[in-house]
Amino acid sequence: DAGVIQSPRHEVTEMGQEVTLRCKPISGHNSLFWYRQTMMRGLELLIYFNNNVPIDDSGMPEDRFSAKMPNASFSTLKIQPSEPRDSAVYFCASNVAANNEQFFGPGTRLTVL
Amino acid sequence: GDSVTQMEGPVTLSEEAFLTINCTYTATGYPSLFWYVQYPGEGLQLLLKATKADDKGSNKGFEATYRKETTSFHLEKGSVQVSDSAVYFCALRGGATNKLIFGTGTLLAVQP
Repeated sequence: DAGVIQSPRHEVTEMGQEVTLRCKPISGHNSLFWYRQTMMRGLELLIYFNNNVPIDDSGMPEDRFSAKMPNASFSTLKIQPSEPRDSAVYFCASNVAANNEQFFGPGTRLTVL
Repeated sequence: GDSVTQMEGPVTLSEEAFLTINCTYTATGYPSLFWYVQYPGEGLQLLLKATKADDKGSNKGFEATYRKETTSFHLEKGSVQVSDSAVYFCALRGGATNKLIFGTGTLLAVQP
């Protein structure tokens, strides 16, 4: 199995630009999670989906952030407009909802100048 | 709400030293408990888990015992190696939710 796939691995953009992060969960997994990791705030859950439906988006910081899961094999996290304080590593994870272990992707390192 | 507290790092040890990273939790009901490890430049990987009181999770020489009476899940290893240098996260999954609640992470640096 290829594991959770995230793209791009690195993204550098300028303030005000739109950023789209992509995630392909492990085949057969029905839950998908987006996390953000920073030195100051540690690892934060932004949103998670069950069967492509958003279940809990209480961690989404503000309206500039949006996430979609149009099908079981693809999800996007969009930031529009981006700001320097959005610089972080963004992780996607997936699991089978009935099981405990979440499998993490390698992350996307976002730098907003 | 549910929460996890783990000791702050960095923890710096010499090779073959004994490791303890403390983790305590607050949760209603009977959560499942986890330790995840993050090597430099990588995502988190499950290291070990325990799903009920008195269970011991173990993997790669690491161990942690689910202690309900002290609400703790401390990570231990008898002899650390340089390759164990990483950030270690304690986490819980409570009740019917599929969410993991993570601690802040503890950086372990093992020197040769």
